[in-house]
Amino acid sequence: NAGVTQTPKFQVLKTGQSMTLQCAQDMNHNSMYWYRQDPGMGLRLIYYSASEGTTDKGEVPNGYNVSRLNKREFSLRLESAAPSQTSVYFCASTQGALPNTEAFFGQGTRLTVV
Amino acid sequence: GQQLNQSPQSMFIQEGEDVSMNCTSSSIFNTWLWYKQDPGEGPVLLIALYKAGELTSNGRLTAQFGITRKDSFLNISASIPSDVGIYFCAGQRGAQKLVFGQGTRLTINP
Repeated sequence: NAGVTQTPKFQVLKTGQSMTLQCAQDMNHNSMYWYRQDPGMGLRLIYYSASEGTTDKGEVPNGYNVSRLNKREFSLRLESAAPSQTSVYFCASTQGALPNTEAFFGQGTRLTVV
Repeated sequence: GQQLNQSPQSMFIQEGEDVSMNCTSSSIFNTWLWYKQDPGEGPVLLIALYKAGELTSNGRLTAQFGITRKDSFLNISASIPSDVGIYFCAGQRGAQKLVFGQGTRLTINP
């Protein structure tokens, strides 16, 4: 009954450090997404992967890279963290990219860059 | 990019009151979704709307897909303390990614 699992749940980085946020889903979904949530901004799409082997930029991709490792896993990497990347990060997955599809979200990773 | 304007940004109400929030867009969407986010959790789907004019209920929640396909509203009747949270609308068009509104933060005074 796991759904979408994100690790870690909390992280503090120093400016310039790198890290990878991990996401895995066990629902055999084709599409996976990374969002960031900032106060008053809603959820903004960073990158998405419509299917295994493909990735595309979203609304705010700068400073991030992603890897769709396999159908289950979609990781988000910050190569050189900046304070502007302090945010809550959510991973989501959908069965497909068609209508009539529900997005399932992980519990989020709260990242602070000092 | 596509923009969804969600209002109000925050609401402070008394327990038992009805709540109404809406989303508007300059673009047409084929699907409107309403999510709720509890503190420390990811968003969870409340209601999905797939046809213009569609009115769908889920318990005390009612949502409608606007006729123009550019707007949607969510109503909550007889609010209770567990309704507290942030509510997001989201729109999807064809095979494109979901676009989210800014969220409505609901606070209930007992």
